[in-house]
Amino acid sequence: EVQLVESGGGSIQPGGSLRLSCAASGFTVSSNHMNWVRQAPGKGLEWVSIIYSGGSTHYADSVKGRFTISRDSSKNTLYLQMNSLRAEDTAVYYCAREVSNYYASSGYQKWFDPWGQGTLVTVSS
Amino acid sequence: QPVLTQPPSASASLGASVTLTCTLSSGYSHYKVDWYQQRPGKGPQFVMRVGTGGIVGSKGDGIPDRFSVLGSGLNRYLTIKNIQEEDESDYHCGADHGSGSDFVWVFGGGTKLTVL
Repeated sequence: EVQLVESGGGSIQPGGSLRLSCAASGFTVSSNHMNWVRQAPGKGLEWVSIIYSGGSTHYADSVKGRFTISRDSSKNTLYLQMNSLRAEDTAVYYCAREVSNYYASSGYQKWFDPWGQGTLVTVSS
Repeated sequence: QPVLTQPPSASASLGASVTLTCTLSSGYSHYKVDWYQQRPGKGPQFVMRVGTGGIVGSKGDGIPDRFSVLGSGLNRYLTIKNIQEEDESDYHCGADHGSGSDFVWVFGGGTKLTVL
């Protein structure tokens, strides 16, 4: 079964650091494009970061320079290192695999599947 | 980058039909949108992708035939027929935009569907 399980969330003071983990089963993390997406309380989804199968990374402007996405092939696990945390980083953080397929009528298309169940990060003094 | 707009709430009676709307901002009528279902306390689940030509590819695993999509102009629609209690969820739409250093995924604010 293809599955993602996040961990590492918790309560932290502003300016602190936290590392989230996302353990995958049923597929290989390093062979896929993997993402972090967050959802602040009562808000919609916000894309945070991607690590491509080739290893390159990209971040949303809101977290650039503070968050680092990485992976450990031996553990088949995705990570998100979060530094200099702010109150506005409070959210449930989800990891998600990006799936892509080619269709003759519309070219390459992509979506997120599966998603994990999420881990809550609360930044508050 | 596009902005995706969704009504915050919708409701429908058990056994009825409902259509949820995701509206792209002007200039992005050619964009395709993904629909995700998020049951209470769970992570989102892929439903299907939609463009102006309708569904792109296949539905997500376990998505029943009662779910269908259409696309017209700036609007992307998700219709649920014969609504069941298990359909009570938040529904999000999302789209990818750009490439390289300009790449981003954008999402709407989500619509909370209540089954009456």
